[in-house]
Amino acid sequence: RKEVEQDPGPFNVPEGATVAFNCTYSNSASQSFFWYRQDCRKEPKLLMSVYSSGNEDGRFTAQLNRASQYISLLIRDSKLSDSATYLCVVNGRYGQNFVFGPGTRLSVLP
Amino acid sequence: NAGVTQTPKFQVLKTGQSMTLQCAQDMNHEYMSWYRQDPGMGLRLIHYSVGAGITDQGEVPNGYNVSRSTTEDFPLRLLSAAPSQTSVYFCASSLVGVGYGYTFGSGTRLTVV
Repeated sequence: RKEVEQDPGPFNVPEGATVAFNCTYSNSASQSFFWYRQDCRKEPKLLMSVYSSGNEDGRFTAQLNRASQYISLLIRDSKLSDSATYLCVVNGRYGQNFVFGPGTRLSVLP
Repeated sequence: NAGVTQTPKFQVLKTGQSMTLQCAQDMNHEYMSWYRQDPGMGLRLIHYSVGAGITDQGEVPNGYNVSRSTTEDFPLRLLSAAPSQTSVYFCASSLVGVGYGYTFGSGTRLTVV
């Protein structure tokens, strides 16, 4: 089993749609959880950290379920500029070393 | 603040050549790392460092060396380039602790012919 697994995608959605991404991780000792976005041929950029209580940043909501080792990202009112690959990131066995999921590509269509 | 600066942005090497990818950060981050990104493989950790003078291997260290003589710099050396090292290389840095995410450099696109 891979350490971090994500929906395979791609997701093609119309502008204004709500889209949800799912992620599971295998290391029950993980303490840090993030969503990154990566635009084509660019570096990954931190979208948001994910906290146990769930957290929201504008149109983006992240949830963490430690018991199920599951992370989600919800994007409401999708914009064309949300088109990117979304990476689920979890710290691995060695503290600050992060394990990246394979990513889920989102295309928001006009 | 410049953040994380990587050079060069592009490089073409011949098989067997050596080179150094440079990475510098100005955020006083203790942790620095190198990842490579290949289609279908995602980001994989090559080497990492938790402070000056301290380095360790990641998931795919073979063919690469690192050193960390200062907090700011973390160069990656390719000892004898092979076509399998054709990839996009990212340097990342962060503070150490729960909840601190990485800041990435803009990447180096390396082709080995």
